[in-house]
Amino acid sequence: KQEVTQIPAALSVPEGENLVLNCSFTDSAIYNLQWFRQDPGKGLTSLLLIQSSQREQTSGRLNASLDKSSGRSTLYIAASQPGDSATYLCAFLTSGTYKYIFGTGTRLKVLA
Amino acid sequence: NAGVMQNPRHLVRRRGQEARLRCSPMKGHSHVYWYRQLPEEGLKFMVYLQKENIIDESGMPKERFSAEFPKEGPSILRIQQVVRGDSAAYFCASSSTGFDAGNTIYFGEGSWLTVV
Repeated sequence: KQEVTQIPAALSVPEGENLVLNCSFTDSAIYNLQWFRQDPGKGLTSLLLIQSSQREQTSGRLNASLDKSSGRSTLYIAASQPGDSATYLCAFLTSGTYKYIFGTGTRLKVLA
Repeated sequence: NAGVMQNPRHLVRRRGQEARLRCSPMKGHSHVYWYRQLPEEGLKFMVYLQKENIIDESGMPKERFSAEFPKEGPSILRIQQVVRGDSAAYFCASSSTGFDAGNTIYFGEGSWLTVV
C-alpha cells in the first residue's frame, strides 16, 4: 500500500526560526513529488515540484529536497514568518499513474 | 487568468438528498481530477476525466457517486442519497496535459459538503 507520512503533525515556532518539515513515502518509483500549502477552508497551492531526476528545488525562502533511495523529502523554510502559518502537504505521483498520494500534512503555526 | 473554479463553496444537504459539485478547470486545461478530503485525513484521489471521457474512476465509491466532464460546461461530481459519511471537502484539480512528470496540477478552493 502506498503511503505518505509527514512528521511532525503539528509545529508551533517563534517568528524567524528556520524549519524542516519531513515527508516519507513508501514507493521508490515516484515520478514527481510536490509540496502544497493549504490555508484553513481554502484549496491547495503548489509550492514546489521535484521531478524524479532532481534532488532539490528552491523558491524564495523555501527549499525542498528529494532522496528517492531513502524515500524521503524535506521542506526547508528559512526565516519563518507568521504568514507562513498553514498546513503543508506533500504528495507524490507514482510512475505510470496520475493519482497523487497525499500525506495528512504538518500544521504550522508561526508566532509573531 | 482565473484559476480552477469550484461551486458551491459550501453545501448543506439532508440525508437522502442529492449533492452536485461543479468544477471549471483553468483556461486551456482539458484534464480534470477530483479528490476528497475527509476530516483529519489526507486527500484521496477519486476520478480523472477528460472532455466527455472518464479515464480512471478507481477512487470513486461504487454506489451513489458519479462524475462527468461534458464537451461544454463544467465537470460535475454528483452524489446521490447522501449520508453523513459523505461530509468532506471535495477538491477539483486541472492540468493542461495528463501524465507528465513536470506537470503541475492546479487545485480549486474546494467544496465543503455537510450532510445533516
